[in-house]
Amino acid sequence: AQSVTQLGSHVSVSEGALVLLRCNYSSSVPPYLFWYVQYPNQGLQLLLKYTTGATLVKGINGFEAEFKKSETSFHLTKPSAHMSDAAEYFCAVVSGTYKYIFGTGTRLKVLA
Amino acid sequence: DADVTQTPRNRITKTGKRIMLECSQTKGHDRMYWYRQDPGLGLQLIYYSFDVKDINKGEISDGYSVSRQAQAKFSLSLESAIPNQTALYFCATSDSRQADEQYFGPGTRLTVT
Repeated sequence: AQSVTQLGSHVSVSEGALVLLRCNYSSSVPPYLFWYVQYPNQGLQLLLKYTTGATLVKGINGFEAEFKKSETSFHLTKPSAHMSDAAEYFCAVVSGTYKYIFGTGTRLKVLA
Repeated sequence: DADVTQTPRNRITKTGKRIMLECSQTKGHDRMYWYRQDPGLGLQLIYYSFDVKDINKGEISDGYSVSRQAQAKFSLSLESAIPNQTALYFCATSDSRQADEQYFGPGTRLTVT
């Protein structure tokens, strides 16, 4: 069975500091992996995705994530946090035809 | 204009009432989904549809029903609303040819009193 675990429901960083949001998954077949961001009162928006090929994936707004099969991880990073990055972030895994499993989300707070 | 729209955006209703949430998309996608979001639980899949004649239950379909009226329209109904159906509801679409990346509507905040 597939599952996604996001470590830390709340993360706080200072403006300009490194952002690291953790995601671990389990899947019996090669997964597709996604990070979505949700700003207040909005739907989810795709940040980046891994399907096949290069394991370091770059997304929008300076975010990137690295697929590490040996660690079953897909952590999201950004070198320098901006106030506008404050939002909730969801990791998701897809394997099979439809089964799209979301993590429980990590709320990122950026401190001035 | 938004690619995925949901109506209404907010709704307060009473226990036992029937309510319908509507979703429309202009992306031309074949697949559509309904999710509910509860704090700390992430998103849970209610129903999904791969085309107009294909509708499937998700993880938490009890108490809900859906209708795919056209490729672009997918409605979610609560036949007899109950308070624990108070949640944020999202519609999403995807194109089966593009690695199932999903596109979300802005959400409907439903409160059942």
